[in-house]
Amino acid sequence: AQSVTQLGSHVSVSEGALVLLRCNYSSSVPPYLFWYVQYPNQGLQLLLKYTSAATLVKGINGFEAEFKKSETSFHLTKPSAHMSDAAEYFCAVSGRAGGTSYGKLTFGQGTILTVHP
Amino acid sequence: EPEVTQTPSHQVTQMGQEVILRCVPISNHLYFYWYRQILGQKVEFLVSFYNNEISEKSEIFDDQFSVERPDGSNFTLKIRSTKLEDSAMYFCASQGTSTDTQYFGPGTRLTVL
Repeated sequence: AQSVTQLGSHVSVSEGALVLLRCNYSSSVPPYLFWYVQYPNQGLQLLLKYTSAATLVKGINGFEAEFKKSETSFHLTKPSAHMSDAAEYFCAVSGRAGGTSYGKLTFGQGTILTVHP
Repeated sequence: EPEVTQTPSHQVTQMGQEVILRCVPISNHLYFYWYRQILGQKVEFLVSFYNNEISEKSEIFDDQFSVERPDGSNFTLKIRSTKLEDSAMYFCASQGTSTDTQYFGPGTRLTVL
């Protein structure tokens, strides 16, 4: 069984400030972890993913996330927020029992990021 | 860049009516998924489909739901008799055999009156 918890349904930062969106997961098998972003009236776009290679993962638009097995976390960060980062962010986990990477994604509840000028 | 497309973008229907939501996955992908997001709630898995059969389904995916790949390009979700609680955004996703990433479409907003 898998689950994802995103701490904070709303995060507000000033432009240029650090962005930190928290994600903790639970998985009975080694996880694949993903961050997706959803802009208003659009679908889910992949930001970055962890698939058992490097624990620090870099994604698009300057975002990165670090997989910490001991803390069961996969927090998303960006050093300097931009107005265009305002969106909803979803953390998701996928199991890979048997070495496969195919299977359902389990999502967290999402975090809405607001960026103030 | 290839993308997943979904039609219609918005569907309004009366309770009890049948609806079909359509998706065109990325052309060389073989794994297909449907998810839904009720307003203000999590994105939830409905069903996965591979090799012309359902590989996994959630508790939500009851006898009122069905999926089909009627030709080489479309992937459809049918709801036989819609309920008010079926109102949600429905996302289609596809995944290739050489990638661990699911690519999502823009969604269909279903409103049941």
